[in-house]
Amino acid sequence: AQKVTQAQTEISVVEKEDVTLDCVYETRDTTYYLFWYKQPPSGELVFLIRRNSFDEQNEISGRYSWNFQKSTSSFNFTITASQVVDSAVYFCALILGGSYIPTFGRGTSLIVHP
Amino acid sequence: NAGVTQTPKFRILKIGQSMTLQCTQDMNHNYMYWYRQDPGMGLKLIYYSVGAGITDKGEVPNGYNVSRSTTEDFPLRLELAAPSQTSVYFCASSYTDPGQIKNIQYFGAGTRLSVL
Repeated sequence: AQKVTQAQTEISVVEKEDVTLDCVYETRDTTYYLFWYKQPPSGELVFLIRRNSFDEQNEISGRYSWNFQKSTSSFNFTITASQVVDSAVYFCALILGGSYIPTFGRGTSLIVHP
Repeated sequence: NAGVTQTPKFRILKIGQSMTLQCTQDMNHNYMYWYRQDPGMGLKLIYYSVGAGITDKGEVPNGYNVSRSTTEDFPLRLELAAPSQTSVYFCASSYTDPGQIKNIQYFGAGTRLSVL
């Protein structure tokens, strides 16, 4: 069975620090999809990125970047120069190629202090 | 574009009462899901639906029921509410294109339910 582990329960940083949120996944399938979602204090989960298992190219979007490494089964998320508005719970998720049911990690709560 | 709309946003129930959490999406998505979120536990799937008239159990279905009579609506029914059902409930929808590329889940704003 597949599994997603977000070992960091809570991370606290000061504004402008860089921060990396870890995501480690387990699956025997060769086709799968990885996601990151953000849940701000308002509560609604918002999609950030999707990556399929055949595309290990890293991605950068503004201050956000994602590092996908199949060799270590990791899909880590880095926020550069963090801001208070980045404070949220971040979820990593996995969907297998033959499924439509996501497996979510338990989430990492990021607190950015001014 | 409303996306996924959940009602109510908050509700307090007494033990043994019943209620229906409403969920509507206007994106013509074929897949819909109900999750519950307990503190520090991430999201647990209650029920899901792959299309109108088709529903299936997720990880934690006990105490809940669903129906999917239309593409747009996916209500969640709580029968005989128990304190263990105190949680935040999220409805989500997604569209999987014919190529079976797994698409994004769009979430509603959530319903915060307390059973006392």
